Amino acid sequence: IELTQSPGTLSLSPGERATLSCRASQSVSGNYLAWYQQTPGQAPRLLIYGAFRRATGIPDRFSGSGSGTDFTLTISRLEPEDFGMYYCQHYGSSLIKPHMYTFGQGTKLEIK
Amino acid sequence: QLQLQESGPGLVKSSETLSLNCTVSGGSLTSTSYYWGWIRQPPGKGLEWIGSIYFSGSTYYNPSLRSRVTVSLDTSKSQFSLKLTSVTAADTAVYYCARITDYAFDSWGQGTLVTVSS
Repeated sequence: IELTQSPGTLSLSPGERATLSCRASQSVSGNYLAWYQQTPGQAPRLLIYGAFRRATGIPDRFSGSGSGTDFTLTISRLEPEDFGMYYCQHYGSSLIKPHMYTFGQGTKLEIK
Repeated sequence: QLQLQESGPGLVKSSETLSLNCTVSGGSLTSTSYYWGWIRQPPGKGLEWIGSIYFSGSTYYNPSLRSRVTVSLDTSKSQFSLKLTSVTAADTAVYYCARITDYAFDSWGQGTLVTVSS
C-alpha cells in the first residue's frame, strides 16, 4: 500500500485552519492510520493514531478523520509551533508482507 | 517517563556493517503491550521503517532491506539493536528507535546520524 500526501507544501498564517490529506493506494482500516509532526532537527511526534484518536498530550486543535482511502489531518487554528513537516503512516499485514509500516512522503506546512 | 536513546558509530565505511543500540529507560522491553522498532530518514527526505521486534523475539523487516537487516533484543541491558550489512552511501541517514503501540510509533529516540563513507 502506498500513501500519497497532498499538498506537498501548504502556506498558511497563524490562526488559519490547515487541512492535510493522505490518500492510500487501496482501502485500509482506519485503525491502522497515524499522523506525525516533525519540526527541524527533532524526532517525529505522534499526533493521531487509529485515524482520529489524539495521542497523549496533543492539543485538541489537532483532529483526524477519514476512512477507506482518504484520510485528513485538520489543525483548527494554527499556532507558530505547528509549522513543520507532517507525515501519515499506515500499518499493514498480509500473508506476503506481515507486519509492515509505510509512511507518506510528507506535507510541509510553512508560514505564509 | 519512557526514554529511548540511540547509540553507535556516526561513521561507517562502505560495504561494512552498521550497528546501533537503543537503550530504553522508564519502560520494559518485556511488556506484552508493545513492539519496538527502527526507522530511518535520509538527509532532507522522508521516513522509512526498517524493522520491528516483539518481546518474544519475533522480528519483522521491511522487504526492501530484509536481506541486510537484523534486529535483536537484550532485555538484561534494556536494549534492542540494529545491524545493517553491506552499507552504501544510500544508507546514510538519521536512525531512530521507537516504541510501537496501537500500530503507531508513540515514543521516539532523538535519532543518530550515521554517515557511510567511501
